[in-house]
Amino acid sequence: GAGVSQSPSNKVTEKGKDVELRCDPISGHTALYWYRQSLGQGLEFLIYFQGNSAPDKSGLPSDRFSAERTGGSVSTLTIQRTQQEDSAVYLCASSFNTGGGASYEQYFGPGTRLTVT
Amino acid sequence: AQRVTQPEKLLSVFKGAPVELKCNYSYSGSPELFWYVQYSRQRLQLLLRHISRESIKGFTADLNKGETSFHLKKPFAQEEDSAMYYCALSPARGAQKLVFGQGTRLTINP
Repeated sequence: GAGVSQSPSNKVTEKGKDVELRCDPISGHTALYWYRQSLGQGLEFLIYFQGNSAPDKSGLPSDRFSAERTGGSVSTLTIQRTQQEDSAVYLCASSFNTGGGASYEQYFGPGTRLTVT
Repeated sequence: AQRVTQPEKLLSVFKGAPVELKCNYSYSGSPELFWYVQYSRQRLQLLLRHISRESIKGFTADLNKGETSFHLKKPFAQEEDSAMYYCALSPARGAQKLVFGQGTRLTINP
């Protein structure tokens, strides 16, 4: 079956512009995550959606970052007034969490490479 | 605060030699530990998790709570093991977000 997909694969934008990054999780997966991979920074958690629960936004670096998940499926990460330090690869992942308490395998998308000029 | 440290950014070994990728963590509770791998031009994927206690592609990792380590080991490296390896921590069961280390790029020389 299809894996997690993300679009666009590459995005170049000018400083100060807004961008939207899209993630289509694996069908049926209840949880969706966004991570950021900056040069030399490793993978940084941004936000996590689980079913209809309030998202865990604890990793968002500033109020310029927001995300939503519509209909429990597709998610959009929005970065307003982009800055050069926002340049990174943004990864989306999904997992099927039954709430049994174990940490379930996260399946990652190919990522969106964002370059802010 | 949770933190995962991978002290080696780059690691190069010869084919057939043993390989060990180091991972140390700091967390006061009982975390779950994982190793994720990213091969060239492929997606990040789960390699193994400590609760499974299994060997995947010849790799094993033992959680040492006393030393707060979760080192990844393989007795005989193969060229196809060349990849980027990330150690990750989940703060608690049910809390699903992952805290990643900075990664180690492993190169296996022929």
